[in-house]
Amino acid sequence: AQSVAQPEDQVNVAEGNPLTVKCTYSVSGNPYLFWYVQYPNRGLQFLLKYITGDNLVKGSYGFEAEFNKSQTSFHLKKPSALVSDSALYFCAVRDANNDMRFGAGTRLTVKP
Amino acid sequence: ETGVTQTPRHLVMGMTNKKSLKCEQHLGHNAMYWYKQSAKKPLELMFVYNFKEQTENNSVPSRFSPECPNSSHLFLHLHTLQPEDSALYLCASSQEGGSPETQYFGPGTRLLVL
Repeated sequence: AQSVAQPEDQVNVAEGNPLTVKCTYSVSGNPYLFWYVQYPNRGLQFLLKYITGDNLVKGSYGFEAEFNKSQTSFHLKKPSALVSDSALYFCAVRDANNDMRFGAGTRLTVKP
Repeated sequence: ETGVTQTPRHLVMGMTNKKSLKCEQHLGHNAMYWYKQSAKKPLELMFVYNFKEQTENNSVPSRFSPECPNSSHLFLHLHTLQPEDSALYLCASSQEGGSPETQYFGPGTRLLVL
């Protein structure tokens, strides 16, 4: 069965600094990987996904993620963090059977 | 977020009450989902409907009963819930075809069981 791990419950960065939110996965077959963001009192919003092709995926709000097959990772990155990026971020993996599994989430706090 | 709507946004109920959560998607999708989100835990997939047919039920207690009358509407009927059922219940939809597709989420219903 597939699974996804987000090793950090909390990530703190200063505004203007680069940010990374980590995600590792375990799946049989080709992985389909997603990042979602959840702002307070809101549902999950899709940020980006990796299905195939270029390992560097660009998404909404200036976010990008790099698929690394050898390290089974799909870390979310942004070159310059904004205070408004503060939210809960979820990594998810979907296998060839279309079963979707989410990580426990990482709370990102960007301080001015 | 107007693509998937959920009502009510907040619900407080006693353990003997019966209530229903409603989800509606305006995206023309053919699959809908119920998830449970508890603090510091991964989202738990509860039910999946494809073309109005239930295709997945992840060992959810029978006190949760889903209903999908058409591809745009999804309900979650609740009865005799327990306090540990308090959580954020999220609805999602997607257009399922040959490749795994993005799921789009509603804002959720925050449920408190007393």
